[in-house]
Parts: sequence; structure tokens; C-alpha cells
Amino acid sequence: GAVVSQHPSRVICKSGTSVKIECRSLDFQATTMFWYRQFPKQSLMLMATSNEGSKATYEQGVEKDKFLINHASLTLSTLTVTSAHPEDSSFYICSARDPRAQYFGPGTRLLVL
Amino acid sequence: GDSVTQMEGPVTLSEEAFLTINCTYTATGYPSLFWYVQYPGEGLQLLLKATKADDKGSNKGFEATYRKETTSFHLEKGSVQVSDSAVYFCALRGSYNTDKLIFGTGTRLQVFP
Repeated sequence: GAVVSQHPSRVICKSGTSVKIECRSLDFQATTMFWYRQFPKQSLMLMATSNEGSKATYEQGVEKDKFLINHASLTLSTLTVTSAHPEDSSFYICSARDPRAQYFGPGTRLLVL
Repeated sequence: GDSVTQMEGPVTLSEEAFLTINCTYTATGYPSLFWYVQYPGEGLQLLLKATKADDKGSNKGFEATYRKETTSFHLEKGSVQVSDSAVYFCALRGSYNTDKLIFGTGTRLQVFP
């Protein structure tokens, strides 16, 4: 089946720094990608929908200036956590959609110290 | 709003035991229902789905039936294997949004030989 990769798989950063997470669709073109966040023992929560060549659509309560999303090509979307704080520590998962289904990446664990 | 509730884990079973993971939902209209599986180190994969009441989704020996009267989509397998050890997520996609998935908290299954 289709493959979605994420990089890095784990990242540790200092409070106040910015972190960029990449999401790539490896064998298909994705006009739409999604970014989710998962806290321990909680559901995956959709943060935003990323459309190639246009602005992302953010879910209610998600700060668009803090979680910058760029979908510059049909195979790459990036999520940048700006001025990260310990409360941003979480598991971030992306998914990419083709006409048939959504395919998920393996996730990126972010720890902000 | 729409939501999914699934049983907490971990669920620990011996090989060849019967598996049930409960999932109930709250949604308006006629949502589509899904089970995703996440193996260690990998992204979520679609396991099975059902798009209307009384549909039964099945794959790899797993089954789930869309029960509108009880708003449930319980996952079952008659005889689990060690290789089934993973985290299982129940999810729904609402009637009026073709992209947004709403997930349960996930249930970890551990199968021992």
C-alpha cells in the first residue's frame, strides 16, 4: 500500500526553539495532508488540514501562528512548532490522502525541555 | 459533536483466544466507521471499515458490524496470534465531512504465546 514517512521520528529541543517536522508521501501525490496530535492515553486530535498550494485549515483551538504548516509540493508537508514549550510535548502524526484512502505516517515524538 | 469511545487497554490474551474490543460512537446522520491498527514503529493502517448500518467489515480474520441501534462497531477475532499485538483505533467519519476522521483513544492488544 501507499507509504507516508515522517522525519524526524523523535526530537528533543529546548524551550523557546522551533522544530520542523516533515511528512512525505513516498509513492503517490497527495493534494491533501492532515496533521494530528496525540497525548498519552488520548485520541488522535486533528490539528489542521493542509492543501497543496493554499493555506492550511486549522481546527478550533489550534493556534495557526504557533503550528505553521506548509504544503509546498504534492509530496511534502511540513509542520513547524514555533517557540516550543514543554506543553507542546506530544506525538505528532501526519496522514496523506489519495482518492481511495488516507495513509498515516509513523509519527514524531516531540519532547520540549 | 461527534465522538468515539473505545475500551481502555491493554488487553492481554493468550494465542488462539477470542478477541473483542468495544467501540461506541456518537454522531449525527450516518457516519462511516473504521478500525485502524498501528504496529510498533509503523503508521496507522486501515484494518476494516463499514459505511452503512448492518454492514460488516472484515479483514485478516477481524470483523466488525455497524450497529446503528446500539451505536457500536465492536472489533472481534476468533483466534488471535502473537502477530496481532498492536494498538487498535476505532474511528468515524461524519456524514457531512468526507475527510475528517475522529478517533477513539486506542486499545493496546498484547498476545502471548
